[in-house]
Amino acid sequence: KAGVTQTPRYLIKTRGQQVTLSCSPISGHRSVSWYQQTPGQGLQFLFEYFSETQRNKGNFPGRFSGRQFSNSRSEMNVSTLELGDSALYLCASSPRWDTYNEQFFGPGTRLTVL
Amino acid sequence: EDQVTQSPEALRLQEGESSSLNCSYTVSGLRGLFWYRQDPGKGPEFLFTLYSAGEEKEKERLKATLTKKESFLHITAPKPEDSATYLCAVQARSGGYNKLIFGAGTRLAVHP
Repeated sequence: KAGVTQTPRYLIKTRGQQVTLSCSPISGHRSVSWYQQTPGQGLQFLFEYFSETQRNKGNFPGRFSGRQFSNSRSEMNVSTLELGDSALYLCASSPRWDTYNEQFFGPGTRLTVL
Repeated sequence: EDQVTQSPEALRLQEGESSSLNCSYTVSGLRGLFWYRQDPGKGPEFLFTLYSAGEEKEKERLKATLTKKESFLHITAPKPEDSATYLCAVQARSGGYNKLIFGAGTRLAVHP
């Protein structure tokens, strides 16, 4: 069974630009969660989508947004990039929402903001 | 404020030398505590969920325990392949939403 895939794996942007990251969940999984991982702040929860609806969210500014499509694939968008947005962005999928013990993580997208 | 603190930041062990990692937390209404393992360049891998004080879970050389304020991950007779960063997270509820709050992790290195 194929795992969680994230594209692109690496991305370089400049301040002020926007970026869209993609996550394809494991087949049959309907929940997708997004996380930001930095050396300074560690792993932080962004939001969780299930059945095309945001179900849970962390404490990130509105520049961070997401959506989920009917095939459960999800995208995360960051607008007006700042240097501090440089991070590894991870997504995780699970069969149901709000069940973090069934999450499988993807390899991440490494975003560098110059 | 909901918070998760892990100690030590880094731990170096000899193969076969047992030890424990600590995860202390302050959260209103704990809905679950999770342990993950993360290898370099990869996403975290789920290990255990604990829900109530006194609960214990085991998997191979790892055993997780939970009290009202902290959790321990005990590693018995570790092997080099146990080297990784171990992350602890708690599920909390705020503003009508659930979220996972992670600790900074413990980097474990097991040497032959």
